Amino acid sequence: LAKTTQPISMDSYEGQEVNITCSHNNIATNDYITWYQQFPSQGPRFIIQGYKTKVTNEVASLFIPADRKSSTLSLPRVSLSDTAVYYCLVGDDLSYGGSQGNLIFGKGTKLSVKP
Amino acid sequence: EAGVAQSPRYKIIEKRQSVAFWCNPISGHATLYWYQQILGQGPKLLIQFQNNGVVDDSQLPKDRFSAERLKGVDSTLKIQPAKLEDSAVYLCASSLVPGGQPKRRDFGPGTRLLVL
Repeated sequence: LAKTTQPISMDSYEGQEVNITCSHNNIATNDYITWYQQFPSQGPRFIIQGYKTKVTNEVASLFIPADRKSSTLSLPRVSLSDTAVYYCLVGDDLSYGGSQGNLIFGKGTKLSVKP
Repeated sequence: EAGVAQSPRYKIIEKRQSVAFWCNPISGHATLYWYQQILGQGPKLLIQFQNNGVVDDSQLPKDRFSAERLKGVDSTLKIQPAKLEDSAVYLCASSLVPGGQPKRRDFGPGTRLLVL
């Protein structure tokens, strides 16, 4: 069961690029890397998902090195509204039973964007 | 597309009372999840349904928590009797049928429970 490690908190300023790194040394062959964003008083929201190399969408980019033991979520030119908690999850949808659907939320990274 | 609906949004009860939460998933989503999120922590899966069958309830405190998903659509989560440590946000999520690449979970706004 893959376990993730990410910084507890990060600070940034508006307009900067923010990179949040997640370590997952025990990632399995079938595991994908998924990131969620959560604002206060709301449920988590899917941001991006990838398996290897680089994935980009309208919100963020996800960089995954060849060994897949870590990944980096990149948020370009953040604004105040990007202040949230960001969760890195590793797993697949093939395993059940005692594995929490094989996608476990850690404590996440609390990103604070300042003006 | 309508999102995941949950009610009530807030609930305050005294310990040893019972409480129930309701969830209506996104239309067509066969998988439904209930999570518990304690302040300062990430969501913790309580139970996962595939249509109206349970596929994972290993983290559900079955002595006090119960959940059902009749007809494979709406779901209710019940706590009886409630304890102080049950104070948390209860999140419902849904996704398409799982398998292979993890399907995105769409979360509802949650129900904030305070047990006094």
